[in-house]
Amino acid sequence: ETGVTQTPRHLVMGMTNKKSLKCEQHLGHNAMYWYKQSAKKPLELMFVYNFKEQTENNSVPSRFSPECPNSSHLFLHLHTLQPEDSALYLCASSQERQMNTEAFFGQGTRLTVV
Amino acid sequence: GDSVTQMEGPVTLSEEAFLTINCTYTATGYPSLFWYVQYPGEGLQLLLKATKADDKGSNKGFEATYRKETTSFHLEKGSVQVSDSAVYFCAMRGSNYKLTFGKGTLLTVNP
Repeated sequence: ETGVTQTPRHLVMGMTNKKSLKCEQHLGHNAMYWYKQSAKKPLELMFVYNFKEQTENNSVPSRFSPECPNSSHLFLHLHTLQPEDSALYLCASSQERQMNTEAFFGQGTRLTVV
Repeated sequence: GDSVTQMEGPVTLSEEAFLTINCTYTATGYPSLFWYVQYPGEGLQLLLKATKADDKGSNKGFEATYRKETTSFHLEKGSVQVSDSAVYFCAMRGSNYKLTFGKGTLLTVNP
């Protein structure tokens, strides 16, 4: 039990579909993150939320739309994706503004776009 | 800016061999340093951390020492097992509070 739960674990979607990834943390953290992990590529930070406010968007295409309704929940809404968006999407949380604390990761959603 | 450089993989070892994965960092100030492990099909898990110079983090037989003078945080294990096969990520959190990851090193341990 990592304290960060992601659903679904696996998702296959067509390029015209709309789907959402969900992340929930039970650790009382105030920062949440979406990362993309593609084969043979470094971990890519996509979005950062602090206290429900988006504080970072690393030039992510608009077909990815995050939502953070409260400090415990984070969503990633997906629409009209491309095959190259197939990857493992990881959610993480941490206590922000504390240098000595680590981020806790969920198990990820393996997304395949067909 | 802040950055983490770790040795490129893949690394392939026989069971009971000694493991070293090198990691160096660039940061202003004194960051906290972390090693994460990712087993196949899983997310990242914290393996160990060190928050100040000369601290040694340790867990599951793995160790890493925060060396300010060489800006390094090398991961070591004296005797690896097949179950240690995974991807290992070095990371740091600097004065801007951002978590910066290295590219990851794939370790395969053969029986």
